Amino acid sequence: QVHLLQSGAEVKKPGASIKVSCKASGYSFTEYYIHWARQAPGQGLEWMGWINPDTGSTKSKQKFQGKVSMTRDTSINTIYMELNRLIYDDTAIYYCARVMRMSVAGIAFDMWGQGTMVTVSS
Amino acid sequence: SSELTQDPVVSVALGQTIRITCQGDSLRNYYASWYQQKPGQPPTLVIYGRNDRPSGIPDRFSGSNSGNTASLTITGAQAEDEADYYCSSRDTSDNHLALFGGGTKVTVL
Repeated sequence: QVHLLQSGAEVKKPGASIKVSCKASGYSFTEYYIHWARQAPGQGLEWMGWINPDTGSTKSKQKFQGKVSMTRDTSINTIYMELNRLIYDDTAIYYCARVMRMSVAGIAFDMWGQGTMVTVSS
Repeated sequence: SSELTQDPVVSVALGQTIRITCQGDSLRNYYASWYQQKPGQPPTLVIYGRNDRPSGIPDRFSGSNSGNTASLTITGAQAEDEADYYCSSRDTSDNHLALFGGGTKVTVL
């Protein structure tokens, strides 16, 4: 079945970088965009950006431009999200999510990874 | 960029009907999708498009749209429906971007 498996929790110091992976299985990897969202402790979801696994093209929310980098390795059906220059406010659960095909205008994420907890702490 | 606004907290008596709303300019052009999130779990899609449910989502969940408002209705709320609910849509200012609402915490009394 369709599954997104993310890498494990990490603790990083301020100023460091982190790379979170999202391994897809159960479907054709290059046919569905993958988006990233994060959720700070006790807060709501924040959309971050997406990657087209077929072409590697990306788009991110303006606040993350220059801070987030999304890449993919089609040989192992894996998406990566790298976040640099970490600050305390980057402490959050990071989720990857697959966009489903829709026949009407809109967007929907039909499969989510289990989440990766990233803690920024000195 | 656009915003999606949700009521932070809503409560419902067991077995009663609850409607959660999501407001935003994007919803005039794009259908919302709705997600249920329980503590310690990732979100789960419950409604998308005009009023479609993924396989496995009970039919007590339904969606509707009017103008700049999308609604999620739970008809006959169950104890297991207690969760946070988020709406999402494309950003009308740039349809390559997406948005989430602030979330609604639903308590079943």
